Amino acid sequence: AQSVTQPDIHITVSEGASLELRCNYSYGATPYLFWYVQSPGQGLQLLLKYFSGDTLVQGIKGFEAEFKRSQSSFNLRKPSVHWSDAAEYFCAVGHNFGNEKLTFGTGTRLTIIP
Amino acid sequence: KAGVTQTPRYLIKTRGQQVTLSCSPISGHRSVSWYQQTPGQGLQFLFEYFSETQRNKGNFPGRFSGRQFSNSRSEMNVSTLELGDSALYLCASSATGLAGGPGTDTQYFGPGTRLTVL
Repeated sequence: AQSVTQPDIHITVSEGASLELRCNYSYGATPYLFWYVQSPGQGLQLLLKYFSGDTLVQGIKGFEAEFKRSQSSFNLRKPSVHWSDAAEYFCAVGHNFGNEKLTFGTGTRLTIIP
Repeated sequence: KAGVTQTPRYLIKTRGQQVTLSCSPISGHRSVSWYQQTPGQGLQFLFEYFSETQRNKGNFPGRFSGRQFSNSRSEMNVSTLELGDSALYLCASSATGLAGGPGTDTQYFGPGTRLTVL
C-alpha cells in the first residue's frame, strides 16, 4: 500500500538559516507528489507539486523540492527561512487513474527562532 | 477566483447528535474530497465526489456520508456523533481535467470546519 513518511516530527531552525524537510514515499507507480503547508487553525496551502519532467520543482514562498526516484524521496528545501515560515508541513502522494485520494505524511512542525 | 469555502467554520455538538458540513468548491471544479484531521490520526481521506457520484471512499464507518449537488457543492454528514469525531474537517476541490488523468489534478483546500463533540 502507498505511504508517506516524514521522519522529523519537529524541526527548529534559526531565522535566515537553510531548511530541509524530509519526505519518503512508497508507491508502486509513478508518484504524484505534493508539499502543503498549514498555519495554526488554517487549511492546507499548496507549496509545490511534482507530476513529471524536471525533478527540481520550484514552489511559492521561495521553496523548492527535489524528486529522487532512486531514494524514493521528495525533500523540501528553502535557502533562508523567515519567521513567517513557522507552520506545519505535509508531504503527500496523489493517486492516478480516477482516484483523487491524497495520502499524507504525519507532518513536520517547523519552529523558527530569532 | 474565489477559493474553496466551508461552512460553518466552527461547530459544537454533543454525543449522539448529527451534523452537516458544507463545502463550495472553486468555480469550475467538479471533484470534491473530504478529509478528517486529528492530532492522533493525522490527515485521513473520507471520500470524494465527482459529478454527484461518490467515486472514492476511505475507511470510515457508515455514520460518515456525503453528497454532491449539480452545482458541485458538497455536504458531509456525520450521524450519531462520538467524542472521537472531534476533528478539523477539510474539503478540497480539483478540476479533474482529462489531461494526465484525474489523479494528477491539484487539490485546493478550504479552511476547514472545526467540529467539537462534547
